[in-house]
Amino acid sequence: DADVTQTPRNRITKTGKRIMLECSQTKGHDRMYWYRQDPGLGLRLIYYSFDVKDINKGEISDGYSVSRQAQAKFSLSLESAIPNQTALYFCATGEGAPTYEQYFGPGTRLTVT
Amino acid sequence: EDQVTQSPEALRLQEGESSSLNCSYTVSGLRGLFWYRQDPGKGPEFLFTLYSAGEEKEKERLKATLTKKESFLHITAPKPEDSATYLCADDFKTNTDKLIFGTGTRLQVFP
Repeated sequence: DADVTQTPRNRITKTGKRIMLECSQTKGHDRMYWYRQDPGLGLRLIYYSFDVKDINKGEISDGYSVSRQAQAKFSLSLESAIPNQTALYFCATGEGAPTYEQYFGPGTRLTVT
Repeated sequence: EDQVTQSPEALRLQEGESSSLNCSYTVSGLRGLFWYRQDPGKGPEFLFTLYSAGEEKEKERLKATLTKKESFLHITAPKPEDSATYLCADDFKTNTDKLIFGTGTRLQVFP
């Protein structure tokens, strides 16, 4: 089984709809992250969490919210989806010191029409 | 503002033809420089972390090096299975894990 799983893998939704992307991990890491990837822009950090009670905004948090339900679960919500939120979304977990290595999920391809 | 720039954007190599990918960053106080590999339709996969100028790390046909302003990913005698997008990212001494990613180099290795 994969260490980091994301659901759904693909989603098409309409403008104005609320949508939740879910992430689960079995690596036992405290740190979890949400990124989006757009062609030509690379990966950009949306939110990150160092533990269940510690949630922080990343580079591009406007229009998004997150919930850390447990050490292993970190969800990303789009309260009112808009077309420019069409992107590939990745969840990741992190080891912290000393390697700061991050492990990425397979991604969710989201299309907002 | 920190920026990570990767070059070239795309690279086509013949199998066995060695080359290097470049990653340059602009802000001082680097905590770590990271290399990831991303295959189409998949999430990035960690390759290396480099912490200080002069440091080198190797994995199979890949060797990553770091100077004060840039990092290189050297690919020796590549094989078609090395075809992927290679991403670099940097992180600074803020303990925020805010990785700044470059846009990647898309490598294609032909038999």
